[in-house]
Amino acid sequence: DAGVTQSPTHLIKTRGQQVTLRCSPKSGHDTVSWYQQALGQGPQFIFQYYEEEERQRGNFPDRFSGHQFPNYSSELNVNALLLGDSALYLCASSWNYREEKLFFGSGTQLSVL
Amino acid sequence: GENVEQHPSTLSVQEGDSAVIKCTYSDSASNYFPWYKQELGKGPQLIIDIRSNVGEKKDQRIAVTLNKTAKHFSLHITETQPEDSAVYFCAARRRLMSGTYKYIFGTGTRLKVLA
Repeated sequence: DAGVTQSPTHLIKTRGQQVTLRCSPKSGHDTVSWYQQALGQGPQFIFQYYEEEERQRGNFPDRFSGHQFPNYSSELNVNALLLGDSALYLCASSWNYREEKLFFGSGTQLSVL
Repeated sequence: GENVEQHPSTLSVQEGDSAVIKCTYSDSASNYFPWYKQELGKGPQLIIDIRSNVGEKKDQRIAVTLNKTAKHFSLHITETQPEDSAVYFCAARRRLMSGTYKYIFGTGTRLKVLA
């Protein structure tokens, strides 16, 4: 049973560029949440997708957008990258949006130069 | 605003000793409190959780206690082993009016178990 998988594992971009990160949830899970984890900090909630719609959003600008596909996989897009966007981006899935337990992927380490 | 404070930020213990990590939450509507272990290069992994209607939960060497009145919850690891070395995060979850849930994470504790 595959867990949450994320790609790519590492990414280097320059300021102003755009990036797309991908996530496949754990088998049987239909809800995907994205988190940003800065160095030495806890994960910060970006948004959550369920039934292909954004259900909840954290305190992140509109440069951060996402999508969920019919197979429950998800993408996180960040436009006009800033140096401060450098972080580990984590995807977490759950059985449904009411389920308590979150299962995290290993993340995508994004470096913005 | 909503926040979860976690202490200490770093903790070093001798192998075989116990380790305790403490968290305090601000939102009294929080009703679920998971603990995650994050090893280098990996995502957080759920190790134990507790709901607000329970005061204590134990799973082998790991236990969590919850004091709802004081809004405190703690992770206890007994008989620590080198493989327990990692960063540990606490979190608090509450239900929003929209029917979805919101998680707030602590800032993490780096635990080092010295052999």
